Amino acid sequence: DAGITQSPRYKITETGRQVTLMCHQTWSHSYMFWYRQDLGHGLRLIYYSAAADITDKGEVPDGYVVSRSKTENFPLTLESATRSQTSVYFCASSESGSGGRTAYNEQFFGPGTRLTVL
Amino acid sequence: QKEVEQDPGPLSVPEGAIVSLNCTYSNSAFQYFMWYRQYSRKGPELLMYTYSSGNKEDGRFTAQVDKSSKYISLFIRDSQPSDSATYLCAVRRDDKIIFGKGTRLHILP
Repeated sequence: DAGITQSPRYKITETGRQVTLMCHQTWSHSYMFWYRQDLGHGLRLIYYSAAADITDKGEVPDGYVVSRSKTENFPLTLESATRSQTSVYFCASSESGSGGRTAYNEQFFGPGTRLTVL
Repeated sequence: QKEVEQDPGPLSVPEGAIVSLNCTYSNSAFQYFMWYRQYSRKGPELLMYTYSSGNKEDGRFTAQVDKSSKYISLFIRDSQPSDSATYLCAVRRDDKIIFGKGTRLHILP
């Protein structure tokens, strides 16, 4: 299937466990992003990647780890899950570029992963 | 001060009304402004994108940017129940997009 997919769609885990959320895109977009969305906070950027093997922190990176060995995959790992990491996680991708190109300003979002940490 | 401020609502209007959604932003250097729409339990999707000041129209939707007051607006004419969603304003900062918290909109049939 073309597009951007996330797995699992729903996950329940316990405090202290390691959890990995997967993200896969078929467009060969250079950029990929991980966000969390919480009531009262909106979408907050966790990490992003400009290309394979290049990652950078966003607004709320603590407690998360990312890697990007292949252009199409961008997994997000919670090394030791905490209850405060209960959230909806969205992966997104976009083309590279600059300035006024619409494609550069459009991020394509996956369907989200609902994570509950007990 | 948050880079992008948006009233979370919810905002309820009757079908057929004109809807006005607004945001303010803090950095006068921002040049690219976007509106994303998010349906319940879905990811956001780009609705409209504008560069610098001025208006942009797409069907029933008009996006407006006033850089002098750092104000971003989205107008929806002849609103439909299918327009019920959360609308997120956004600005581009370097290679990232900064989102507002989103306004929940309900169009009442």
